[in-house]
Amino acid sequence: GAVVSQHPSWVICKSGTSVKIECRSLDFQATTMFWYRQFPKQSLMLMATSNEGSKATYEQGVEKDKFLINHASLTLSTLTVTSAHPEDSSFYICSASRLAEAKNIQYFGAGTRLSVL
Amino acid sequence: RKEVEQDPGPFNVPEGATVAFNCTYSNSASQSFFWYRQDCRKEPKLLMSVYSSGNEDGRFTAQLNRASQYISLLIRDSKLSDSATYLCVGWGKLQFGAGTQVVVTP
Repeated sequence: GAVVSQHPSWVICKSGTSVKIECRSLDFQATTMFWYRQFPKQSLMLMATSNEGSKATYEQGVEKDKFLINHASLTLSTLTVTSAHPEDSSFYICSASRLAEAKNIQYFGAGTRLSVL
Repeated sequence: RKEVEQDPGPFNVPEGATVAFNCTYSNSASQSFFWYRQDCRKEPKLLMSVYSSGNEDGRFTAQLNRASQYISLLIRDSKLSDSATYLCVGWGKLQFGAGTQVVVTP
């Protein structure tokens, strides 16, 4: 159990377009979902924490109007990169914590590679 | 200073040998810690969780030293498949270390 599906796995888009990434917990309800960004050879950087039905909490330096997060249900969170630019090219990964598990374990999606031309 | 720091390595380890490395943290409020392994261009996968002083799972042993604020990971009898980047993270403030690269050689 504890499978997190992330879609799409790879996106190539033109500068100025918006890209939507979905994160789904397939076999469990997620209390909280997290969005990370990882540049090559660097650590995962937490962008925002998302709880179902409430506004996401963004980390310092992350523009909430640039990275729109919607957490409509206990199994789905979406990240929209608005008006993407080449500097937004990165590996975006989501993770989820189980509602029924108070151990703070995160289950990760497979990630989305975004390349903005 | 970063909240979580790791020696980036790489640690080159002969197959069958033991390797150990640490992760230091600055946020003393973190209650639980985790080791993840990340293969190149893949998502992190949970390796071990550490809630008290330590945890052991087969060839892997994690230790938590709250006084000195570090967690360690020890891998015994290294396998070629252990080659990966090992990330540590403390719950409380979700800061991942940059990872320690381990390369197990035949």
